[in-house]
Amino acid sequence: GAGVSQTPSNKVTEKGKYVELRCDPISGHTALYWYRQSLGQGPEFLIYFQGTGAADDSGLPNDRFFAVRPEGSVSTLKIQRTERGDSAVYLCASSLSVGTGENEQFFGPGTRLTVL
Amino acid sequence: RKEVEQDPGPFNVPEGATVAFNCTYSNSASQSFFWYRQDCRKEPKLLMSVYSSGNEDGRFTAQLNRASQYISLLIRDSKLSDSATYLCVVNDYKLSFGAGTTVTVRA
Repeated sequence: GAGVSQTPSNKVTEKGKYVELRCDPISGHTALYWYRQSLGQGPEFLIYFQGTGAADDSGLPNDRFFAVRPEGSVSTLKIQRTERGDSAVYLCASSLSVGTGENEQFFGPGTRLTVL
Repeated sequence: RKEVEQDPGPFNVPEGATVAFNCTYSNSASQSFFWYRQDCRKEPKLLMSVYSSGNEDGRFTAQLNRASQYISLLIRDSKLSDSATYLCVVNDYKLSFGAGTTVTVRA
């Protein structure tokens, strides 16, 4: 079956521009997560959704970052006034639900964002 | 202090060798742990869960020491295809990743 998909796979933008990154989770997965991975580091949590609501956005670095999931499926991560330091791979993951048990998070291939 | 700390390696081992590495975590209340594998420029994929009693999956053995708050992964009879970055993960519904341990298996 289809896994998590993310578009675009690569995005190059200029400092100060606005970007949107899209995530299509696995069908039926109610939990959706965004992570960011910088070179040489592990992924860092940004935000997660349970259904349509952002249940935890404590990882968003500042108010330039915002994410939505209006219908409880597709999610969009939005970055305003991009900075060079925002350059990273943005990973989306989904799971059947939220929990600390065996709820495996399946990752998409990521969007590689480069801010010039 | 980072939530999860790992030896970055790299570990460069010949085929057939055994390689082992650890990570430590800071939150003593954490209950759920994983090892993920990440190939170059690919997404992380779950390798195995880590249980208190330790667990084995083929050539891979994971151990958890709650008292010392460390997790280990051992790979026996290394294959070329085991070359990857191994990420230690603490699961508190959101995943906290270590920076990864790079393993290269050479022919």
